[in-house]
Amino acid sequence: GDSVTQMEGPVTLSEEAFLTINCTYTATGYPSLFWYVQYPGEGLQLLLKATKADDKGSNKGFEATYRKETTSFHLEKGSVQVSDSAVYFCAFYPSQGAQKLVFGQGTRLTINP
Amino acid sequence: GAGVSQSPRYKVAKRGQDVALRCDPISGHVSLFWYQQALGQGPEFLTYFQNEAQLDKSGLPSDRFFAERPEGSVSTLKIQRTQQEDSAVYLCASSFTGGRYEQYFGPGTRLTVT
Repeated sequence: GDSVTQMEGPVTLSEEAFLTINCTYTATGYPSLFWYVQYPGEGLQLLLKATKADDKGSNKGFEATYRKETTSFHLEKGSVQVSDSAVYFCAFYPSQGAQKLVFGQGTRLTINP
Repeated sequence: GAGVSQSPRYKVAKRGQDVALRCDPISGHVSLFWYQQALGQGPEFLTYFQNEAQLDKSGLPSDRFFAERPEGSVSTLKIQRTQQEDSAVYLCASSFTGGRYEQYFGPGTRLTVT
């Protein structure tokens, strides 16, 4: 069935390190893909999105490219900051007509100064 | 403008009690969603409204769960005869219209059943 698999956490990095959080999905058709972020004590916020193959979503220095051939949407950032510490969720609309988002299990990221 | 708001933010219920969780979506948003988030997991879909019509309730885990949105704005998720396995964060989200638009989430209600 439709599902999304995220890199397991927790992930701990030093400030200014390069970040990759892997996300792959299983779906029919061409779903819209999203990364949401949950900062400590806050609700889910949309970080970036991509709606078709080869689209690149970007925001706050984060990027993710919709790769149809590998069914992936990996999140990257070239130089992380302490303020990026949060839980990151990959999500998608699984099929045509489906209105619900399907989420991965989340990846907890901690950045040390 | 204001984002999605939810109340209460925290709720403790004794097993067997009924609870009601409220969601105020962003003004003008047609679509409203409820999700359940267990500790350490991603949110899981419960139900979806377009205006006042409940178009998908496939994620509701049992007939103890009931949701309504009678005037197409505020929504209430009701859980009857709460059980310990109902302990979770309940998230509400809204989006401008139907279709695959981004959903805007509220802060959630953390329900603890003792």
